[in-house]
Amino acid sequence: QKEVEQNSGPLSVPEGAIASLNCTYSDRGSQSFFWYRQYSGKSPELIMFIYSNGDKEDGRFTAQLNKASQYVSLLIRDSQPSDSATYLCAVTTSGTYKYIFGTGTRLKVLA
Amino acid sequence: GAVVSQHPSWVICKSGTSVKIECRSLDFQATTMFWYRQFPKQSLMLMATSNEGSKATYEQGVEKDKFLINHASLTLSTLTVTSAHPEDSSFYICSARDVSNQPQHFGDGTRLSIL
Repeated sequence: QKEVEQNSGPLSVPEGAIASLNCTYSDRGSQSFFWYRQYSGKSPELIMFIYSNGDKEDGRFTAQLNKASQYVSLLIRDSQPSDSATYLCAVTTSGTYKYIFGTGTRLKVLA
Repeated sequence: GAVVSQHPSWVICKSGTSVKIECRSLDFQATTMFWYRQFPKQSLMLMATSNEGSKATYEQGVEKDKFLINHASLTLSTLTVTSAHPEDSSFYICSARDVSNQPQHFGDGTRLSIL
């Protein structure tokens, strides 16, 4: 069964620190990788997506993909209390556009 | 861009009622729409994939006669929960995608409570 795994947390970091969120996936043929943020009671909002090995930066966020090791990570620099949310990793399975979601990591940024 | 509107945002109704949820892509044509269900403290579970003009593809364990999906145009998909019961109470979220390999964009979700 194709799986996407995340540590459920909570991951607590002080304000201003770097938060590092990790995600591993089992399907070696996965093509596309997405990070969504979900506040409690709300729907997910797209943070970043990455298709190729390496790093992709967007403002305070950096996505890192390593297909050989089958993991994707999200770094949040200068973490703010407003970043406190659940971060969902989603992976498209080979040959489809469907997402498989991880269970999410709850991030708490302490003021 | 890439705005997805979902309506209603909250529904409370009696057991046995059928409930229709609408999902609209406001500024792009959605070739594919997805319907998810999320129970408290759990991740999103895909219920079905809907392509415009064709029958929806349901995930294993999802009853297609209970969760009716219609995707009649490139901007609108509907999910009807027929004869809803308390166990159907959940957060239902739609998403839409325009061209291949583009991210899915989510609607705001519909919180369904069946009494």
